[in-house]
Amino acid sequence: AQSVAQPEDQVNVAEGNPLTVKCTYSVSGNPYLFWYVQYPNRGLQFLLKYITGDNLVKGSYGFEAEFNKSQTSFHLKKPSALVSDSALYFCAVRDTGDDKIIFGKGTRLHILP
Amino acid sequence: DAGVIQSPRHEVTEMGQEVTLRCKPISGHNSLFWYRQTMMRGLELLIYFNNNVPIDDSGMPEDRFSAKMPNASFSTLKIQPSEPRDSAVYFCASITGLNTEAFFGQGTRLTVV
Repeated sequence: AQSVAQPEDQVNVAEGNPLTVKCTYSVSGNPYLFWYVQYPNRGLQFLLKYITGDNLVKGSYGFEAEFNKSQTSFHLKKPSALVSDSALYFCAVRDTGDDKIIFGKGTRLHILP
Repeated sequence: DAGVIQSPRHEVTEMGQEVTLRCKPISGHNSLFWYRQTMMRGLELLIYFNNNVPIDDSGMPEDRFSAKMPNASFSTLKIQPSEPRDSAVYFCASITGLNTEAFFGQGTRLTVV
């Protein structure tokens, strides 16, 4: 069965600095990987996905993520953080041949002005 | 398209009462997921449907929980009888294919007192 780990409950970054939110996964086949963001009292919004191809994926709001098969990781990155990036971020995985989408527990990102 | 529509947005009920949460997926999407979000457990997959058929309900916590999808445009999640520990935000999501991201509704915040 697939699983996702987000090892950090919270990440604090100063505005303007680069940010990284970590995600590792476990699947039996090939992974489809996703990042979502959740603002207070809202649903989850899709940021980006890795299906196949280039390991560096670019998404919404300047975010990007790098798929690393050997380390089974899919860390979310942004070169320069904004205060408005403060939110709850979820990593998710789907195993090929399985419809289920499993989410990590989420990482709360605080961007400090 | 209006996106995934969930109702009600908020529900407060007394312990022991029946609760029914509703979801209208995006038209043309063939898979539907029900998730529960709590601080302690994060985002848990409860059940998912493919072409209106329940595929995996292993995440449903107890027999008090049941879900149906009578047609491609409507699904319900029922809790009977409800208990205070069922208090959470319940999300519905739909997708159109294996390579695509899930689209989430705004969620139903359930409070059982």
